[in-house]
Amino acid sequence: EIVLTQSPGTLSLSPGERATLSCRASQSVSSSYLAWYQQKPGQAPRLLIYGTSYRAAGIPDRFSGSGSGTDFTLTISRLEPEDFAVYYCQHYGSSATFGGGTKVEIK
Amino acid sequence: EGQVVESGGGLVQPGGSLRLSCAASGFTFSSYVMSWVRQAPGKGLEWVSTISGSGGSTYYADSVKGRFTISRDNSKNTLYLQMNSLRAEDTAVYYCAINYGSGWGQGTLVTVSS
Repeated sequence: EIVLTQSPGTLSLSPGERATLSCRASQSVSSSYLAWYQQKPGQAPRLLIYGTSYRAAGIPDRFSGSGSGTDFTLTISRLEPEDFAVYYCQHYGSSATFGGGTKVEIK
Repeated sequence: EGQVVESGGGLVQPGGSLRLSCAASGFTFSSYVMSWVRQAPGKGLEWVSTISGSGGSTYYADSVKGRFTISRDNSKNTLYLQMNSLRAEDTAVYYCAINYGSGWGQGTLVTVSS
């Protein structure tokens, strides 16, 4: 069973700053099946990135994903007020698993 | 753009059963893998189950295997989750998702408590 570990647990940043979120897999995974989601309080998650680096429809280009093997990264180039939320990575295939999440909060 | 709407949540006693439904629209339902994902109060996301487009293949998290059954009726564009032998730790908002998360419903709350 693949375990995804996200770090840090909480990231305190100011609007305009760059956010770098990490997702580490317990074993090597296909980059084709690594996704990132954003979730705001009281809302369903929203797909941001799939296949490690492909932005979902309507996602601004300040969001980017990268990585391979066991180490994956979500980068938000310049934080907008609406970007403060919890972010989850996910590996999917026949089954799926989520990381524990990273909360991006306003500093 | 595809939409999904969950229903069927509520309060149930430990050991009881509940069936969740997910009505799909705006996309060719039978062509898509569908999933259930849950989120316990104040916790992260947990994948529960996935079913192939035809319904011929199903996959479950170890935490629900043998107790939950995912199914679909492609003639009705509806996904189901039959939940038996419910436990307190099954209390969560249950989300229906297109594929593994390309589209999500608003969720339905299941509370298991006496």
